[in-house]
Amino acid sequence: GAVVSQHPSWVICKSGTSVKIECRSLDFQATTMFWYRQFPKQSLMLMATSNEGSKATYEQGVEKDKFLINHASLTLSTLTVTSAHPEDSSFYICSASTSGSFTDTQYFGPGTRLTVL
Amino acid sequence: QKEVEQDPGPLSVPEGAIVSLNCTYSNSAFQYFMWYRQYSRKGPELLMYTYSSGNKEDGRFTAQVDKSSKYISLFIRDSQPSDSATYLCAMSVNQAGTALIFGKGTTLSVSS
Repeated sequence: GAVVSQHPSWVICKSGTSVKIECRSLDFQATTMFWYRQFPKQSLMLMATSNEGSKATYEQGVEKDKFLINHASLTLSTLTVTSAHPEDSSFYICSASTSGSFTDTQYFGPGTRLTVL
Repeated sequence: QKEVEQDPGPLSVPEGAIVSLNCTYSNSAFQYFMWYRQYSRKGPELLMYTYSSGNKEDGRFTAQVDKSSKYISLFIRDSQPSDSATYLCAMSVNQAGTALIFGKGTTLSVSS
C-alpha cells in the first residue's frame, strides 16, 4: 500500500525555538495533505488542509502564523511550529490523499512526537 | 457536550466474539461517518465510511448509522487477535473542505 513518512519521529526542543516537521508521500502524488494534532488520551484534531501549490486552509482556533504549512510539491508538505511553547507539546500526524475527500483513502504518517521544554 | 463521544474502553473480548463499537454525536449536520483503525505507534487507516443513514458491510465489518438517534456503530464479526487496535470514529458535514471530527477512540483487545 501507499506509504507516508514523517520526519522526525520525535523531537525535543527548548521553548521559543521553531520546529519543522516533514510529511512525504513516498510512492504516490498527494494532491491534498492533512495535518492533525493528538494530545494524550484525546481525539485526533484536524489542524489544516493543504493543497499542493496553494495556501493551507486552517481549522477554527488554529493560529496560521504559529503553525506554518508549506505544500510545495505533490510529495512533500511541511509543518513548522514557530516559537514553540510547552503547550504545543503533542503528537502531530499528517495524512495524504490523492483527492481532498475524506471518503477517499487517506494514508496516515506514523506521527511526530514533539516535546517542548 | 462534545461533538463526538466515544467510550475509550478498554474493551477485551475472546477470539471469535462479535464486537460492537459505538459513537454518539450532537451535530445533526454530519453526513459522512467514518471508522479508522489505529495500531500502536502507527497512523490511523480508514476502515469504512458511510454516507447518511444505513448499513454498510465489508467482510467481517459492518458499519451502521442511525441519524435519528445520532448514533453510529461498527460491528466486527469473528474477531481476531489481529483486530486488537484502537478504533476511531470520525464524521464530517461534507466530503471535503470542512473539519473531520474524531472520537477519542476505543481500545480493543482480542485474546486468543
